[in-house]
Amino acid sequence: DVKVTQSSRYLVKRTGEKVFLECVQDMDHENMFWYRQDPGLGLRLIYFSYDVKMKEKGDIPEGYSVSREKKERFSLILESASTNQTSMYLCASSLTGVTEAFFGQGTRLTVV
Amino acid sequence: GQNIDQPTEMTATEGAIVQINCTYQTSGFNGLFWYQQHAGEAPTFLSYNVLDGLEEKGRFSSFLSRSKGYSYLLLKELQMKDSASYLCAVSPMNTGFQKLVFGTGTRLLVSP
Repeated sequence: DVKVTQSSRYLVKRTGEKVFLECVQDMDHENMFWYRQDPGLGLRLIYFSYDVKMKEKGDIPEGYSVSREKKERFSLILESASTNQTSMYLCASSLTGVTEAFFGQGTRLTVV
Repeated sequence: GQNIDQPTEMTATEGAIVQINCTYQTSGFNGLFWYQQHAGEAPTFLSYNVLDGLEEKGRFSSFLSRSKGYSYLLLKELQMKDSASYLCAVSPMNTGFQKLVFGTGTRLLVSP
């Protein structure tokens, strides 16, 4: 079974902190994605990566950056956390853009 | 760009049939995905339509019409456990089919 693992289920951080959300997949997938999910807004794509060291902005990249140094790991970085970044963050991976994506369990981040 | 629209919420009765619609405006895509997400859990893959027409998978079927910019998910013999959000998603052509973009999701409530 494909497994996508996010490092934390719940995180509480202070405004202005630098925050790292880690995601690891174990199926040698090319594509990895970071989404945030907010009530009424659905899943919004922050960044995605289709290969090691390759990244593309999604629909809402402002305030975020990403890192993919190894194929299995895709990190989301909040350079200076703000309260409007309080959300559920979901990582996903897929073999290609035309195959199903597998999701991690999500990280609920609260910025206070 | 791509806009993917779904009804926000639907209700149905156990044993009934429900159709969840998804309309989209996009410059082109390879196929359309449907995912299920139970409250507090990660989305899981349900179906993928590449060609126009109906794809059947047990109690669930998905339909695609590219000319009409329209898809639907049909759930038959509804069970209480089908109460969940249903998300449609596409991989747009202009991103090499790598990017995966979701609609806002439809929350389905199944009552006894």
